[in-house]
Amino acid sequence: RKEVEQDPGPFNVPEGATVAFNCTYSNSASQSFFWYRQDCRKEPKLLMSVYSSGNEDGRFTAQLNRASQYISLLIRDSKLSDSATYLCVVKSAGGSYIPTFGRGTSLIVHP
Amino acid sequence: NAGVMQNPRHLVRRRGQEARLRCSPMKGHSHVYWYRQLPEEGLKFMVYLQKENIIDESGMPKERFSAEFPKEGPSILRIQQVVRGDSAAYFCASSPGLAGEGGDIQYFGAGTRLSVL
Repeated sequence: RKEVEQDPGPFNVPEGATVAFNCTYSNSASQSFFWYRQDCRKEPKLLMSVYSSGNEDGRFTAQLNRASQYISLLIRDSKLSDSATYLCVVKSAGGSYIPTFGRGTSLIVHP
Repeated sequence: NAGVMQNPRHLVRRRGQEARLRCSPMKGHSHVYWYRQLPEEGLKFMVYLQKENIIDESGMPKERFSAEFPKEGPSILRIQQVVRGDSAAYFCASSPGLAGEGGDIQYFGAGTRLSVL
């Protein structure tokens, strides 16, 4: 099982739709979780960090399920500008500070 | 407060030449990470450094690749005798490296796109 797994998509949704991505992780000792978005040929940019059960920022909600070892990202009222690749990042407690990146989920929002 | 600065943004080298990629972390950040991304691929961790120390280089190829983060100046990723397979986007990220929430968030530079002819 890969350390961090994401459905690569693409998720193709109309404007205004609600879309959700899941990300599963294998290390039960993981403590820090992040969602980044990456536009084509650009650098990843932090979207949201999740340290407890979840986080909400406007149209974006991230939820953590430790029992099932996954985090989700929910995007409400999708905009064309939300089209991007969404990267799930997981970091374990202590020891090395190396985070593990998922391969990303591609989202395409169309008119 | 300037973000993570990488230069050059684009670098073209012929096979066998050396490539030097530079990364200046955000002000106050003492942790630097280098990643490589091939087209249509995910980010692949290469090396993690703190000032004057390599903490983890488990993702670095054993030959031709080296990295440093001197006491003064930017972090350097050096690729000797480049080959076509080295063509990729190389991203640098920095973090404060502090305990507690937010201390481990990584901020990325715009990347260096290396093309080997």
